[in-house]
Amino acid sequence: NAGVTQTPKFQVLKTGQSMTLQCAQDMNHNSMYWYRQDPGMGLRLIYYSASEGTTDKGEVPNGYNVSRLNKREFSLRLESAAPSQTSVYFCASSEAKGRETQYFGPGTRLLVL
Amino acid sequence: DQQVKQNSPSLSVQEGRISILNCDYTNSMFDYFLWYKKYPAEGPTFLISISSIKDKNEDGRFTVFLNKSAKHLSLHIVPSQPGDSAVYFCAATPNDYKLSFGAGTTVTVRA
Repeated sequence: NAGVTQTPKFQVLKTGQSMTLQCAQDMNHNSMYWYRQDPGMGLRLIYYSASEGTTDKGEVPNGYNVSRLNKREFSLRLESAAPSQTSVYFCASSEAKGRETQYFGPGTRLLVL
Repeated sequence: DQQVKQNSPSLSVQEGRISILNCDYTNSMFDYFLWYKKYPAEGPTFLISISSIKDKNEDGRFTVFLNKSAKHLSLHIVPSQPGDSAVYFCAATPNDYKLSFGAGTTVTVRA
């Protein structure tokens, strides 16, 4: 039982490049989330998916797209990376939306030059 | 504008003593509060939570206190242990999936 896994662990991009961050969970959870963590800001929600085929914008969605490929996988895509997207990205999952505990992956550290 | 604030970026405490972490919030719609713990190079892990209908919740060495009138909550760790050295995030939600996080407090437990 791996919980929530994220790939890659670390990535360096040049401004304008694109990339997809991958996330998978093996807990049969319905809801999945993408957050970014910046110094002094805590974690901020980028996108949320209540179930396969549904996605909703969070607090900071600009510059990102997401795909809920199936119940297990939720990917985050940067179409044209900008230095402001340098951050640590965390994926999380929970049984359903609401007060259920969210379980986080280990994070992807992204540096955009 | 951050709705959840942790005004102390860091806290150093001696092993065996009490650690007190504070958190303030501004949104009166928040009715459920959580603390997450994070080690370096790992994701946050859930520690303890409290509903707005309570003013205290205890789980082993960890106790969370909620003062709704002051929009303030605190986390007490007694006794503090070296393994408690981590970053602690306060989070709050108005009973949906949208967690608002504070910036975190780094706790260092000295031997």
